[in-house]
Amino acid sequence: QKEVEQNSGPLSVPEGAIASLNCTYSDRGSQSFFWYRQYSGKSPELIMFIYSNGDKEDGRFTAQLNKASQYVSLLIRDSQPSDSATYLCAVNSGYALNFGKGTSLLVTP
Amino acid sequence: GAVVSQHPSWVICKSGTSVKIECRSLDFQATTMFWYRQFPKQSLMLMATSNEGSKATYEQGVEKDKFLINHASLTLSTLTVTSAHPEDSSFYICSAFPLGPPSYEQYFGPGTRLTVT
Repeated sequence: QKEVEQNSGPLSVPEGAIASLNCTYSDRGSQSFFWYRQYSGKSPELIMFIYSNGDKEDGRFTAQLNKASQYVSLLIRDSQPSDSATYLCAVNSGYALNFGKGTSLLVTP
Repeated sequence: GAVVSQHPSWVICKSGTSVKIECRSLDFQATTMFWYRQFPKQSLMLMATSNEGSKATYEQGVEKDKFLINHASLTLSTLTVTSAHPEDSSFYICSAFPLGPPSYEQYFGPGTRLTVT
């Protein structure tokens, strides 16, 4: 069973702080890793993806991948109340995606 | 670019009836589309992979005779929930994988909320 694990939260951070979201996966053959943001009642929207070990930065977001530890994380700098949502980690399974259950993030003003 | 639409966005039907959900890629062609289902407070679960011109591939535990998938063109896949029951009430989301250079990014539709009464 290929699994993607996330802490369900809620993770609460004050506005302007760094939010750190973590994800572990079981399939060592996975090649691509995605972070999606999902607002209640809406479809997920892609924040960023990462293929290689190390860090990848895009604006306020940084994804970190460690394939040896089977660990991927997302850092959100200068968190805003509008960042409050559920963040889904997804790992490729062939061309389809295997999603974690998501971490609920609450950014308080 | 890379827009995927779904129709309807929400539907209410009576138990025992069938419902068809359409997934369209509006500005690109997709040989592969995926259908996911999401129950409240749960993550997206892959139901099936829809391939243009061939039979869909269903995930373990998903009844292929209940969830009929037709991928008739490079821009349209449909999911028909037959003999719907209240436990089929869920948020159904499709995604499409573009043709062209190798890409790992798939594009999600806005979802269809199905309520079976």
